[in-house]
Amino acid sequence: NAGVTQTPKFRVLKTGQSMTLLCAQDMNHEYMYWYRQDPGMGLRLIHYSVGEGTTAKGEVPDGYNVSRLKKQNFLLGLESAAPSQTSVYFCASSYSGENSPLHFGNGTRLTVT
Amino acid sequence: AQRVTQPEKLLSVFKGAPVELKCNYSYSGSPELFWYVQYSRQRLQLLLRHISRESIKGFTADLNKGETSFHLKKPFAQEEDSAMYYCAPIHNNDMRFGAGTRLTVKP
Repeated sequence: NAGVTQTPKFRVLKTGQSMTLLCAQDMNHEYMYWYRQDPGMGLRLIHYSVGEGTTAKGEVPDGYNVSRLKKQNFLLGLESAAPSQTSVYFCASSYSGENSPLHFGNGTRLTVT
Repeated sequence: AQRVTQPEKLLSVFKGAPVELKCNYSYSGSPELFWYVQYSRQRLQLLLRHISRESIKGFTADLNKGETSFHLKKPFAQEEDSAMYYCAPIHNNDMRFGAGTRLTVKP
């Protein structure tokens, strides 16, 4: 039981390049989330999904897109990376909504130069 | 707007001393409240949640609806409690995290 797995762990991009971060969970969780963590700002919600085929915007969605084609996977895409997107990205999943704790991945450290 | 505030970025106490990590929130509606912890080189994990009324690793958290606070407390801090702590209210699938408090427990 791997829990929540994020790939890659590290990535360096040049401004304007694109990439996709993959999050996979093997706990049959309905809800999945993408957060970014920046110094002094805690974790900020980018996008989330309440089930396969559904996505919704969080607090800071601009510059990102997501897809949830399969229940176990939640992809975060950057179409044209900007230095402001340099951050640590965390994926999380939960069984249901408000009373279910989040299970986190180990994070992806992204640097955009 | 939904907001959660952890006023202390850094908190340092000696082993055996009491510790309180503050959390204040401003939410429309009644959020459910969680505390998460991140130990060095480990992933973020749940510490405790209000609905369970539990004590985990000696920590408890008291919800004060009047003051909209959910402070985390432990009567006798241990060195292994050194970590980053995040308060996290959730309402309507929107879970906001505070900026976090880094707790250091000195020997």
